[in-house]
Amino acid sequence: GAVVSQHPSWVICKSGTSVKIECRSLDFQATTMFWYRQFPKQSLMLMATSNEGSKATYEQGVEKDKFLINHASLTLSTLTVTSAHPEDSSFYICSARVYGQGSYEQYFGPGTRLTVT
Amino acid sequence: AQSVTQLGSHVSVSEGALVLLRCNYSSSVPPYLFWYVQYPNQGLQLLLKYTSAATLVKGINGFEAEFKKSETSFHLTKPSAHMSDAAEYFCAVLNTGTASKLTFGTGTRLQVTL
Repeated sequence: GAVVSQHPSWVICKSGTSVKIECRSLDFQATTMFWYRQFPKQSLMLMATSNEGSKATYEQGVEKDKFLINHASLTLSTLTVTSAHPEDSSFYICSARVYGQGSYEQYFGPGTRLTVT
Repeated sequence: AQSVTQLGSHVSVSEGALVLLRCNYSSSVPPYLFWYVQYPNQGLQLLLKYTSAATLVKGINGFEAEFKKSETSFHLTKPSAHMSDAAEYFCAVLNTGTASKLTFGTGTRLQVTL
């Protein structure tokens, strides 16, 4: 089956620094990738949708200057958390979509746990 | 916009017992519905999906779900729970349109006891 990887799987950074999270579709090309944020014991909240070669579309309430998304190729999207603060600590999950067998298939990465100290 | 509601944030069953996780949807158009499972500190894995074909959908790990339009439901079931089924389960609906996006329910944590 299709595999989506994320790197790193966990990261600890100091307040004020920036952190980059990579999301890769390993064996397929994804024109659309999604970034989610998940707080403990809660559901996934969509942050943004990115299409290869174009600017990401952010959900309402998500600061685009703080959460920079780049979708440079059909297999790679990155999320950069700029000037991180403790409230940015969360579990970040990416997802890649491909259209096949008459419907969309969306595959999720294993997530990245960010802790800002 | 389409949405899903999961009834019961926590369900506990004995090993070997029936698993029933409830999901109701709201949609003005025929929905695409999904069930995902999430193990601790991991991403989501697709269990099954409904895309307007057969109303009874069989998924992985012995799970299945039945789409019932009259009840606007898409409940997830498994005849016999296993300890390894303990996880968080999310129902989701695909919001169709120019910006097709998955909308997730709040999740149900399944606990399996001996």
